[in-house]
This record gives sequence, structure tokens and C-alpha cells, in this order.
Amino acid sequence: EAGVTQSPTHLIKTRGQQATLRCSPISGHTSVYWYQQALGLGLQFLLWYDEGEERNRGNFPPRFSGRQFPNYSSELNVNALELEDSALYLCASSSGLAANTGELFFGEGSRLTVL
Amino acid sequence: KNEVEQSPQNLTAQEGEFITINCSYSVGISALHWLQQHPGGGIVSLFMLSSGKKKHGRLIATINIQEKHSSLHITASHPRDSAVYICAVMEYGNKLVFGAGTILRVKS
Repeated sequence: EAGVTQSPTHLIKTRGQQATLRCSPISGHTSVYWYQQALGLGLQFLLWYDEGEERNRGNFPPRFSGRQFPNYSSELNVNALELEDSALYLCASSSGLAANTGELFFGEGSRLTVL
Repeated sequence: KNEVEQSPQNLTAQEGEFITINCSYSVGISALHWLQQHPGGGIVSLFMLSSGKKKHGRLIATINIQEKHSSLHITASHPRDSAVYICAVMEYGNKLVFGAGTILRVKS
């Protein structure tokens, strides 16, 4: 069974551009989470989607947005890119809404570099 | 003060040693995760705990909800255990808050 897959693996953009990152969860998982790992800042929670709805978001500006499709795959969009958006973006999936029953499975990440 | 504190930040051990990594948190949680991150960046979930103790092979994780503390133990450590170990707590609303990680190096 395929794990969580993310694309692209690497992405290079310039300031002001938009970046789109994609995530396919494990088959049967309805929840998708996005995290940012910027150099020196550690991992931070970005967004949580379940059943096509945004359920929660972290302390990030509105230019970070996303969506979840009917097949539960998800996109993360970052508009008006800034240099500090350079980071590894990780996607994770789990089954169900209950946080204490759904083990998390992570993708390999998409590394975004903003020049 | 960070919501999730891990110690130590760095740990070097000899092969075969017993290793303990500690995690303390200050908020109400629905679950606690121990994660392993290798240099390439990929993350593997080792444990998800909401109470008690879990064991997978040479890894043991415990949590004390009253004291808001968890430990990850590695028995008979091996160089392939070298990685960053991250404690993360799931707050209500499924927001995962991460510790800074413990960089473990096991020497042969």
C-alpha cells in the first residue's frame, strides 16, 4: 500500500510568486495535515483538513491556504512568497477526526526555496 | 516558555547503551506523539500515547498525564538509531505542537 506522497520534491520560486504543493494521503485516510519546518524554527502546524473542510489552522497569515479534494488529496498554496517561506513542508494523514485514535503517517516533504 | 520542552537537545551514546529522552508539556492534550526524523527529512511516527506505556521492539514510550511528562527509551542502542527524535503533543482541535527535537548519535 502506498504511503503519503507529496509533490514536488523540490520547488524553487522567487519572491512574490505563488507556490502550490500537493499531498495524497494513505488510502482510506480522510484527515490531511500540513506542517512547516523552517530552518531554525522547528516544525509548526499549518492546516488540518478533514472531509473536504478546513478544521483548524496554525498561526500563519492568510496567504497560506489550501483545500482538500473529494478524493481526500490536498493542496497547499502559498501566495506572495517571502524569503522566510523557504522551508520543508510536510504533509501527514490519519484516519478519522479523533485525535487520540488516528496515528499520523508523514510524507517525505516538499522543499520550497524562495530566492 | 515553549509549550513542549525536550531534553537533552543533543545526545551521544555508545552502541548498546540505554537511552532516555524526556518531554514535558504545559497544555491540555488529547495525545502525545514520538516521531523520528532522519537527515533526509522524512518523519516516521514511533508512538502515539494517551496514557500508560507502549513498546515496539527496542523502543519504549511512557506518559504520565498528571505530571504532563513523557519519556522515550531505547534499549541496546545501535548506530542506525541515530536520528532526531521529536516529541509532539496533539492539542484539542488536532493542532500538533512540536518540541525542538533531540539529536541522537549512536557511535559503534
